[in-house]
Amino acid sequence: QKEVEQDPGPLSVPEGAIVSLNCTYSNSAFQYFMWYRQYSRKGPELLMYTYSSGNKEDGRFTAQVDKSSKYISLFIRDSQPSDSATYLCANSGSARQLTFGSGTQLTVLP
Amino acid sequence: KAGVTQTPRYLIKTRGQQVTLSCSPISGHRSVSWYQQTPGQGLQFLFEYFSETQRNKGNFPGRFSGRQFSNSRSEMNVSTLELGDSALYLCASSFNLGDGGNTIYFGEGSWLTVV
Repeated sequence: QKEVEQDPGPLSVPEGAIVSLNCTYSNSAFQYFMWYRQYSRKGPELLMYTYSSGNKEDGRFTAQVDKSSKYISLFIRDSQPSDSATYLCANSGSARQLTFGSGTQLTVLP
Repeated sequence: KAGVTQTPRYLIKTRGQQVTLSCSPISGHRSVSWYQQTPGQGLQFLFEYFSETQRNKGNFPGRFSGRQFSNSRSEMNVSTLELGDSALYLCASSFNLGDGGNTIYFGEGSWLTVV
């Protein structure tokens, strides 16, 4: 079993939809949780960073961490075609070494 | 503020050769880490350097090595290249946060093809 599991998709939604992306993890030592967005042939771009459990909001993006169920979510409101990318969850115990999920490929249709 | 800079962006090598990839972190970042990304295995941690010392190492063979210089710039080397080493090699630099964590920023990567 992988330490971080993520549904690879692909996921297609119409423009303006609310997108829900999820990861589960098995390592109880993880306490730093990040979401990255990666466009084709580009490096991952940090979207959200959360320490321990709770919610964090930044514009159209909301990250949720539930450490009791080891479940991480990223919500994108009012999705745009420019949001089409691969979304990667990344977890860490020390925040120096990231363990990534396999990524979810998202397409937002105009 | 400039981001993480990696060179070269693209390269093609022959099996058995060696390759050196270079990374310049964001100014002020002292931690540099390297990751390998392949379609089959995804993003996997190679190693992390801080103040010229390797602090963490992933599960990769000894053919993969790295170093960090006093100006925080880093290089990674892969010797005796194999076809399976074809991948996107990503460098990341990080800045410590007050909660003990780091925000980790990636460069655009170096695309290595081994033929």
